[in-house]
Amino acid sequence: EAGVAQSPRYKIIEKRQSVAFWCNPISGHATLYWYQQILGQGPKLLIQFQNNGVVDDSQLPKDRFSAERLKGVDSTLKIQPAKLEDSAVYLCASSLLQGDEAFFGQGTRLTVV
Amino acid sequence: KQEVTQIPAALSVPEGENLVLNCSFTDSAIYNLQWFRQDPGKGLTSLLLIQSSQREQTSGRLNASLDKSSGRSTLYIAASQPGDSATYLCAVDHGNKLVFGAGTILRVKS
Repeated sequence: EAGVAQSPRYKIIEKRQSVAFWCNPISGHATLYWYQQILGQGPKLLIQFQNNGVVDDSQLPKDRFSAERLKGVDSTLKIQPAKLEDSAVYLCASSLLQGDEAFFGQGTRLTVV
Repeated sequence: KQEVTQIPAALSVPEGENLVLNCSFTDSAIYNLQWFRQDPGKGLTSLLLIQSSQREQTSGRLNASLDKSSGRSTLYIAASQPGDSATYLCAVDHGNKLVFGAGTILRVKS
């Protein structure tokens, strides 16, 4: 079974630039999550989708972050404009349904300079 | 608001030791609890998932226990090996999202 795929693995951008990350969840998984992990901390949920609908985006900085999951399969997370404090690893995860075991991708390491 | 704390923050042990990692949470109304492993520069690998109705789960040399009423979970690693060196994260699930602790960095010396 293929796991959660994310791209790119690494990205370096200057502050005020924009960036986009892509995630393809495990086939058949209805629930998709985007987490932000700052160095030395545990992952923090940014947004959760159930199929193509948003379940929870309470911790998403909506003035600069946006995410979509068109057709209820793969998803993109965008940051525009980026700030220095956005430097982190962005992890995508999926589960069959809410509350089921979550499987994580390799993550995208973003460095904002 | 759920808060998850992991103790110790870092641990260094000689190969072969048995060890215990601790996780505590403030809101006991959880759906399940998961333990993850994270290698440097990598994503998270699920190790064990304990449903709220369960007391423990075992996988190979790993055993995780859950005491929901006291808000605690422990991950027991038997006969540690250098390959066990990684960051171990616990996360509690209320059925809608995972709330993570900051992790325990484990180093097993050969």
